[in-house]
Amino acid sequence: DTEVTQTPKHLVMGMTNKKSLKCEQHMGHRAMYWYKQKAKKPPELMFVYSYEKLSINESVPSRFSPECPNSSLLNLHLHALQPEDSALYLCASSQGQGRWEQYFGPGTRLTVT
Amino acid sequence: AQSVTQLDSQVPVFEEAPVELRCNYSSSVSVYLFWYVQYPNQGLQLLLKYLSGSTLVKGINGFEAEFNKSQTSFHLRKPSVHISDTAEYFCAVSDNAGNMLTFGGGTRLMVKP
Repeated sequence: DTEVTQTPKHLVMGMTNKKSLKCEQHMGHRAMYWYKQKAKKPPELMFVYSYEKLSINESVPSRFSPECPNSSLLNLHLHALQPEDSALYLCASSQGQGRWEQYFGPGTRLTVT
Repeated sequence: AQSVTQLDSQVPVFEEAPVELRCNYSSSVSVYLFWYVQYPNQGLQLLLKYLSGSTLVKGINGFEAEFNKSQTSFHLRKPSVHISDTAEYFCAVSDNAGNMLTFGGGTRLMVKP
């Protein structure tokens, strides 16, 4: 099973709202990732968690706040977003320990109004 | 630092014809190489990977790729494409620390009847 699930599938939020994106995997992977993808572009890395600790933050604005409650779950908390933050947000996981291929979820399509 | 170049942004091809999607990379260290496919409004699916060993790698859906270290290339091939192969294809590289994927700009494969 190489499934990563993401909820919700679609999200529309105003610039003053607070919302969260959720990602879950049950493959025993120890690294999890958030990416942002704009239309017709490759995914851009936002955050990496390794063994439940934040290991990489690609200079992401503080209005995006990641959280890794346990080894299977990854959240992305959103607050005071801008319309230019509208994008497809992808979660991925990898086994780590020399097995670095990443498995992606279906994404959350976020629209900020 | 690594970089990935996908030489063609779009590749139109007729159904049942062969196709090659080109990928070149640059890196000062050993790398792992990947091809992902993204169908419209979906996440990325791992097609195949090169970690070590045989330079000819077979993946899902009849795709294969060949790692050429001297030419720093990892081109993706399929001998006979189907309409259902229409999608965006991303080449990606990670170093042997494995944490981060660097993506190419993507190639849109358009299979015509």
